[in-house]
Amino acid sequence: DGGITQSPKYLFRKEGQNVTLSCEQNLNHDAMYWYRQDPGQGLRLIYYSQIVNDFQKGDIAEGYSVSREKKESFPLTVTSAQKNPTAFYLCASRGGGTNTGELFFGEGSRLTVL
Amino acid sequence: GNSVTQMEGPVTLSEEAFLTINCTYTATGYPSLFWYVQYPGEGLQLLLKATKADDKGSNKGFEATYRKETTSFHLEKGSVQVSDSAVYFCALITNSGNTPLVFGKGTRLSVIA
Repeated sequence: DGGITQSPKYLFRKEGQNVTLSCEQNLNHDAMYWYRQDPGQGLRLIYYSQIVNDFQKGDIAEGYSVSREKKESFPLTVTSAQKNPTAFYLCASRGGGTNTGELFFGEGSRLTVL
Repeated sequence: GNSVTQMEGPVTLSEEAFLTINCTYTATGYPSLFWYVQYPGEGLQLLLKATKADDKGSNKGFEATYRKETTSFHLEKGSVQVSDSAVYFCALITNSGNTPLVFGKGTRLSVIA
């Protein structure tokens, strides 16, 4: 079945370590997005990519990095520069070029810094 | 800029009660409007959408009408069930290709038997 796969579902990190969250989609979507979710703050956009080899910063990009070498994949690296990385991270993709396109979300990755 | 404002939760209702979750928006151009739902421990999934003024989106007993005059897209359900307990997000996108959706902060709904 088509969809978005995020891994790992749970991840623990020591302070000072970089970690990479995986996001893979087989929906043939051009656009992919990373959101961070914290209690009471809704979803905040970290980075997004509208096409392979191109990406843009969202509202809270500091301390994060991404790559988009393949259409199917949009990994997110949480670097040691991110001051408060403990959160629930959601990846999404969107097809089509119109504003009626639905966002498809993965199941999320919960990162905890020890 | 574009923004979405939702009523703050949590909202707690008894089973079979009527539900309204308010959502208002500010946008340039002519946005499309969405309601997403997030069940515990999961990602978001689309609940319903409306792409132009006066459109009504509906799904699983939920409805929302795109009101341009009041810039609102309130979510309603006539009789909630325990299984409707989740977080509900209102969102919009303007007619700008693959630019990101703008989300509200979410409203947590708890339905008790």
